[in-house]
Amino acid sequence: DTEVTQTPKHLVMGMTNKKSLKCEQHMGHRAMYWYKQKAKKPPELMFVYSYEKLSINESVPSRFSPECPNSSLLNLHLHALQPEDSALYLCASSQDASSSYNSPLHFGNGTRLTVT
Amino acid sequence: GNSVTQMEGPVTLSEEAFLTINCTYTATGYPSLFWYVQYPGEGLQLLLKATKADDKGSNKGFEATYRKETTSFHLEKGSVQVSDSAVYFCALSDMNTNAGKSTFGDGTTLTVKP
Repeated sequence: DTEVTQTPKHLVMGMTNKKSLKCEQHMGHRAMYWYKQKAKKPPELMFVYSYEKLSINESVPSRFSPECPNSSLLNLHLHALQPEDSALYLCASSQDASSSYNSPLHFGNGTRLTVT
Repeated sequence: GNSVTQMEGPVTLSEEAFLTINCTYTATGYPSLFWYVQYPGEGLQLLLKATKADDKGSNKGFEATYRKETTSFHLEKGSVQVSDSAVYFCALSDMNTNAGKSTFGDGTTLTVKP
């Protein structure tokens, strides 16, 4: 069982919808991440939160809006997405971002998003 | 910048065959190296890691040794099973880069046939 829980597992949304992806971890980690993964590709970093503050935004379009309400929770708010945004969205956590060079990432099983 | 190059797949083996998946890297500092595995329908999970030169990471029969002289971290397993069928990602993390950024290879798909 994964220690990072993501909901929902699957999501189908239209281009005018607003939806949110949720992620939760209870390992006491202080860094949380959103990755996007297309089929047969490596995960691409979108956002990093360190101690509940946004520390990295990889030039992600504003139709993706992250939120970190507390140290255990991470949300990704979606609005006016495009079909090319269809992908597997992975949440991850690590002990903290500054020591991430030797602290592995713990991934959830992802949300499979389809934009119609 | 940092980069990771993995051998191209897919790789298809018979059960009990020997596995090697090559991984080489370039990094500006002294990176830590990781192998992650992704089973169908799941997220990535850490398979093993090594944080300094000559370290050997091992887990579930898989091994990889951090070779600074050849900038490599090849994954090996002596006898694969059908359940090892998955996508394997080599990755590095470098304390000199932005904290929280890992660099992943493109992934190698392994299929093990009975």
